[in-house]
Amino acid sequence: GIQVEQSPPDLILQEGANSTLRCNFSDSVNNLQWFHQNPWGQLINLFYIPSGTKQNGRLSATTVATERYSLLYISSSQTTDSGVYFCAPSNPPESSASKIIFGSGTRLSIRP
Amino acid sequence: DTGVSQDPRHKITKRGQNVTFRCDPISEHNRLYWYRQTLGQGPEFLTYFQNEAQLEKSRLLSDRFSAERPKGSFSTLEIQRTEQGDSAMYLCASSFLGTANYGYTFGSGTRLTVV
Repeated sequence: GIQVEQSPPDLILQEGANSTLRCNFSDSVNNLQWFHQNPWGQLINLFYIPSGTKQNGRLSATTVATERYSLLYISSSQTTDSGVYFCAPSNPPESSASKIIFGSGTRLSIRP
Repeated sequence: DTGVSQDPRHKITKRGQNVTFRCDPISEHNRLYWYRQTLGQGPEFLTYFQNEAQLEKSRLLSDRFSAERPKGSFSTLEIQRTEQGDSAMYLCASSFLGTANYGYTFGSGTRLTVV
């Protein structure tokens, strides 16, 4: 199955800083999602981004499918951004491989 | 629609007992997924349904685990003869296959503790 590697595993930043989280995957993908798991355990879908670039407020994501990586950018970080960020791709064919596989995550701590 | 609902939120059971969890997906979603997450790890895939059909089961899902989705609506996950290693957060998600963007929506999970 597809292998997912996220870096860095842990990141501690001051409020207001910017950060880039990386996700490498071992195979071609037809589905890639980024999630934020807050300190209470709730998984929030941030982006569905199998290719290209998307932006949502202070967050943006880019997936370069041909080079098998995705990046999540967080600008002007706030304490509420703390938690674990997961990358979760799925590889084709869609008919038989439609579940997403999670990486081990990046734990982000934003200090006030 | 209030999102994906899971019940109960917490379950403590004695080893050897059977437990059943329920998931109510977003009503217009045709796909439903079960994942399991242990402390410090990413969620692991267990099984998924498209409508009422169970299309795939992970090798992680032993014979003690069974899942159903009658009538393609809510789903139940049953664990028989629970073991301490079953202690984990059980997560349900739903999505709609058929549009260009079918991101998953997760419920809040059921935390199982086997004592």
